[in-house]
Amino acid sequence: DAGITQSPRYKITETGRQVTLMCHQTWSHSYMFWYRQDLGHGLRLIYYSAAADITDKGEVPDGYVVSRSKTENFPLTLESATRSQTSVYFCASSETGNKGQFFGPGTRLTVL
Amino acid sequence: GEDVEQSLFLSVREGDSSVINCTYTDSSSTYLYWYKQEPGAGLQLLTYIFSNMDMKQDQRLTVLLNKKDKHLSLRIADTQTGDSAIYFCAEKGGGSQGNLIFGKGTKLSVKP
Repeated sequence: DAGITQSPRYKITETGRQVTLMCHQTWSHSYMFWYRQDLGHGLRLIYYSAAADITDKGEVPDGYVVSRSKTENFPLTLESATRSQTSVYFCASSETGNKGQFFGPGTRLTVL
Repeated sequence: GEDVEQSLFLSVREGDSSVINCTYTDSSSTYLYWYKQEPGAGLQLLTYIFSNMDMKQDQRLTVLLNKKDKHLSLRIADTQTGDSAIYFCAEKGGGSQGNLIFGKGTKLSVKP
């Protein structure tokens, strides 16, 4: 089905390990975003991308790396996971940034 | 800076109208959005309104925008138990990022 998918849906890892969260969209949207959702903080932007090979930092980028070699994929990597990165991560995409963003189902990440 | 405020909880009876309120600070916001999040799911775009509009209606949903007071509301007519969820107000950030600034969400509980 067309849409935006994330994998894995659930992940448990240990402090210090590298983790990559995948995001794939089939709409050929130019913009893609990564947010994290935490109790008391709502959703906060980690990184975004306006097009393939163009990425930039959001509000909380420290400890994360992104890449966008293809329009449809926008992986998020935690280079050395910390407990503070335990969160629910949402990927979103948008055609123009004006008519709203469409969200994936989320990845629940636990760092032990 | 940009900020979006919402009350955290709202409880209504089935069949009543629900009104969820939101205030924002960025007067240059061009688009404002309402999202719905059900437990364990991603955010679903419900509706959006352009800043030059006062009202937008879409079936049971009515969005009212008071740009002078920077106040946005979402009215759900004939609220059903299936409307129980967290509702997020969001504004489009003023920069070129295209990202959204979210409120912390209002948890709507619908009692039968």
